[in-house]
Amino acid sequence: QKEVEQNSGPLSVPEGAIASLNCTYSDRGSQSFFWYRQYSGKSPELIMFIYSNGDKEDGRFTAQLNKASQYVSLLIRDSQPSDSATYLCAVNGGEYGNKLVFGAGTILRVKS
Amino acid sequence: GAVVSQHPSRVICKSGTSVKIECRSLDFQATTMFWYRQFPKKSLMLMATSNEGSKATYEQGVEKDKFLINHASLTLSTLTVTSAHPEDSSFYICSASRGREPYNSPLHFGNGTRLTVT
Repeated sequence: QKEVEQNSGPLSVPEGAIASLNCTYSDRGSQSFFWYRQYSGKSPELIMFIYSNGDKEDGRFTAQLNKASQYVSLLIRDSQPSDSATYLCAVNGGEYGNKLVFGAGTILRVKS
Repeated sequence: GAVVSQHPSRVICKSGTSVKIECRSLDFQATTMFWYRQFPKKSLMLMATSNEGSKATYEQGVEKDKFLINHASLTLSTLTVTSAHPEDSSFYICSASRGREPYNSPLHFGNGTRLTVT
């Protein structure tokens, strides 16, 4: 079982729709969860992070964490073509310590 | 926000030569920096954790004698790819955390270095 799993996609949504990106992780002791966006040929940029169960909203983005199910998601409202990128889920804490372990990423395509 | 500068952004070298990549935290002190490697359409793989003033901690399967890491100050870490071969061609990215508690501190990434070994 992979440590951090994401559906590779591509996930295609029309402009203005809600994009839902999902991530599961294997280490129940994981403490912090991050979503990064990566454009082709560029390094990842942080979108948001979440530590506690529940939802955390920041502008058009909402991260959702369910530790019991070992599941974290990212919702993007009013998706724009500029949101088209690879979204990386990352986890640290637990057996990972301060290392950040990444999922393989989900490709998102927003069609205008 | 926190800024991490990485240099060079792109380098082409001949097989057998060595290449040094610098990573600087510009507006904060980073006791720990991380070096990642990313192959095309793959995720980031942690290579090593760079600790200021001490030896780096390498991930399993990463050759420490080939990928030399130095973290001489709180704002600078370097990765040297020694005797580079075409299979070392990859995208190398450094990152740093400003927080004292890495669990609660997001990593900020440099812009990455595209290494091509011919």
